This record gives sequence, structure tokens and C-alpha cells, in this order.
Amino acid sequence: DADVTQTPRNRITKTGKRIMLECSQTKGHDRMYWYRQDPGLGLRLIYYSFDVKDINKGEISDGYSVSRQAQAKFSLSLESAIPNQTALYFCATSVAGNQPQHFGDGTRLSIL
Amino acid sequence: EDQVTQSPEALRLQEGESSSLNCSYTVSGLRGLFWYRQDPGKGPEFLFTLYSAGEEKEKERLKATLTKKESFLHITAPKPEDSATYLCAVQAPEIQGAQKLVFGQGTRLTINP
Repeated sequence: DADVTQTPRNRITKTGKRIMLECSQTKGHDRMYWYRQDPGLGLRLIYYSFDVKDINKGEISDGYSVSRQAQAKFSLSLESAIPNQTALYFCATSVAGNQPQHFGDGTRLSIL
Repeated sequence: EDQVTQSPEALRLQEGESSSLNCSYTVSGLRGLFWYRQDPGKGPEFLFTLYSAGEEKEKERLKATLTKKESFLHITAPKPEDSATYLCAVQAPEIQGAQKLVFGQGTRLTINP
């Protein structure tokens, strides 16, 4: 079983719809992250969380919100989706310090 | 501003033809440099962490090295299964406990049989 699980894996929706992407992990890590990946732009950080009470904005948080429901669950929401939010979305986890982050297999989101 | 530049963008090799991928970086106080492998439809898979100039790490046909300005991922006698996109990321000092990673755009490696 995957250590970091993202659902759904693929989603096509329309402009203006509310969308939630979910991430759950079994690694026992405190820190969780949401990234988006666009061709030619690399991975960019949207939000990150140290624990259920601590949520922080990343470099591209506008248009997104998150919820840390438990240590193992971190959700990303698009309140009113727009076409330029079409991208690959990845969840990652880590322990504290300079240790590597571990990624899920992503959600491919298309907004028409 | 922290930056990571990977080159080349794409590299096509014959099976057994060794080569190197480059990751140049500027960061205010490197806390770690990470190499990941990403296959189509998958998330990045962690390969190596390097913490200080002169450090080297090896895994099968891959060897990562680090200087004060760049890192190389050397691929020796590659096989078709080594085909993937290789990502480099640097970690700047934590700000308010944040582990901020700055990613390069990746090198897409294709190994032809």
C-alpha cells in the first residue's frame, strides 16, 4: 500500500465549481505539503502544515484553501475553480529538519 | 532569491552510454540538496540527499555529487528502465520552522535500447 495516498487521481470539472483534493498518509509524519506541477515551471508550494493546528501559505496560495483534519489527512480545496488551475497536484510529507519529503502519485486536475 | 536550474532539459542516450545531469543552484545557506526521480503518472521518488560540498552518494548506476554551486547526477551504463524525469531541489534555511524546497524544472532522460 502507498504511504501517501491522493484521491481522486484524475478529475475533470467546469469553471466555477468547488473541488476538494484529499491526501492521507501512513508514514506518521507531522508535516504535510501541497504542490502543483506545471510544464516548464517545476513544483511550486501551495500550502504546508506542521500539525492540525498549524497551517501556512506557500508561494502560490491565492485561490486555494486547505484543511488538516487529522495528523494523517490534509485536504486542498479550490473554492471556485478557474482554467489556469489546471495542473498536476501533489501531496508530500516529511519529518522535521532537513529530511526528504515523500510524495503521493498526484491528482491530474483539468478545469474546462 | 533562491533558484535552481537544471540542464539539459532533455537527454537521449543509448543503453550503456554514460552521462551526467547538472543542477546549478543559488541559495542563502544550503541545508540540503535532494534528487528525485519522476516517472510518468507518478509522484517524485526520493533518490539522494547531499548536505555539504564534496559529499557523494551512490545507488546502483546513479551517483550524485555536490559542490558549492552545483550538483551532478552521474549515470553509468544506463538501462532503458532508467528513463524518467530527474528533479533537483534545494532546501534553504527554515523560516519559522518551514522546510522550503525550491525545485528545478527537471531533466527528461530517455535511454534507448
